[in-house]
Amino acid sequence: NAGVTQTPKFRILKIGQSMTLQCAQDMNHNYMYWYRQDPGMGLKLIYYSVGAGITDKGEVPNGYNVSRSTTEDFPLRLELAAPSQTSVYFCASTPSGAGPYEQYFGPGTRLTVT
Amino acid sequence: KQEVTQIPAALSVPEGENLVLNCSFTDSAIYNLQWFRQDPGKGLTSLLLIQSSQREQTSGRLNASLDKSSGRSTLYIAASQPGDSATYLCAGHSNDYKLSFGAGTTVTVRA
Repeated sequence: NAGVTQTPKFRILKIGQSMTLQCAQDMNHNYMYWYRQDPGMGLKLIYYSVGAGITDKGEVPNGYNVSRSTTEDFPLRLELAAPSQTSVYFCASTPSGAGPYEQYFGPGTRLTVT
Repeated sequence: KQEVTQIPAALSVPEGENLVLNCSFTDSAIYNLQWFRQDPGKGLTSLLLIQSSQREQTSGRLNASLDKSSGRSTLYIAASQPGDSATYLCAGHSNDYKLSFGAGTTVTVRA
């Protein structure tokens, strides 16, 4: 299994541009998450999904959108990029059902908005 | 809302010393607690997950304890090595499958 994969690894955007961060998992996990990590901070939840067709906002959803058309894929869309969105973005997944709900993380996408 | 705190933010020890990393959380209804390691510029590697019914978990030189009544978890790393230098994050699971993260403790083990 490849686990959780993310593309691209790095990206530089200009203010106002848009892009999609890709996330895929091959573990048949129902639950998927997007986090952002700012320097010296913990991870903050942006959006999450409990299954195909179902998404919900996390702690910091403004400026982002998500979709979940398949179990495997959970792309994150940035519209009208702003410098405040400069961060490292992590995707994660976990199986549903009985615990222990360990979360598996992708390698991250480092995004700079200038 | 679950708040997770890790103190200190940074720690430097000589090689061979035992490491003690602290994590505190505000909601004792925490479901599970997970410890991660993060190397500079890298993703998160899961180290240990303690279920709410457990008091500790062990893996090699790592031991993590969970005390829900006091809102604390501690990660012990025995006989530290330079390769243990990294940032260690703790995260509390709520029963709705979400994680709340601490800001991490950055550890430097001096050779």
